Amino acid sequence: DAKTTQPPSMDCAEGRAANLPCNHSTISGNEYVYWYRQIHSQGPQYIIHGLKNNETNEMASLIITEDRKSSTLILPHATLRDTAVYYCIVTPGGAQKLVFGQGTRLTINP
Amino acid sequence: GAGVSQSPRYKVAKRGQDVALRCDPISGHVSLFWYQQALGQGPEFLTYFQNEAQLDKSGLPSDRFFAERPEGSVSTLKIQRTQQEDSAVYLCASSLESWRSSYEQYFGPGTRLTVT
Repeated sequence: DAKTTQPPSMDCAEGRAANLPCNHSTISGNEYVYWYRQIHSQGPQYIIHGLKNNETNEMASLIITEDRKSSTLILPHATLRDTAVYYCIVTPGGAQKLVFGQGTRLTINP
Repeated sequence: GAGVSQSPRYKVAKRGQDVALRCDPISGHVSLFWYQQALGQGPEFLTYFQNEAQLDKSGLPSDRFFAERPEGSVSTLKIQRTQQEDSAVYLCASSLESWRSSYEQYFGPGTRLTVT
């Protein structure tokens, strides 16, 4: 079973920041938070990951709370191409299978 | 550069037929994963290879499912005597087993299997 909880759907206006929450209250000390997204009819795509510090890359920012029980993925300037299902995954470091939950279906509206 | 490729992209099989799904990972990627994604659901893990060794097959739903990666590159997922419940998208992913790569998994486009 997935170790994360995400809202099933969210809407965001194009050009605004999209903030996607994820709860992972049972996360262990050696587990990372990974985010992937899946655009319709494509395979999942890696976005970002973190352990305890906030992370930023060219796609997004990841904010992890100090107790590590929740996190937020931020897409700073959402575009229509960001419409996808976003998966928050908790997994130990290394080459590990990914346990996907239901994810959040994010719709970016013009 | 070339990503993960899968073939065929679509497969229709009659119940009881055997099917073989192919995955070409990114060159040099040590790890290879297979996932099954039912309609409207997130992908579910099937099996994992490190080079040619199948280290985890705990997700294979029955002994009708078999996967191999004999030379540590291309992998084949075989399903014998297909059933309607096998209808799904089968995703393959590969990763470079290195902390520098963040163990990011690169996914192929998937093979959509429909069993009639």
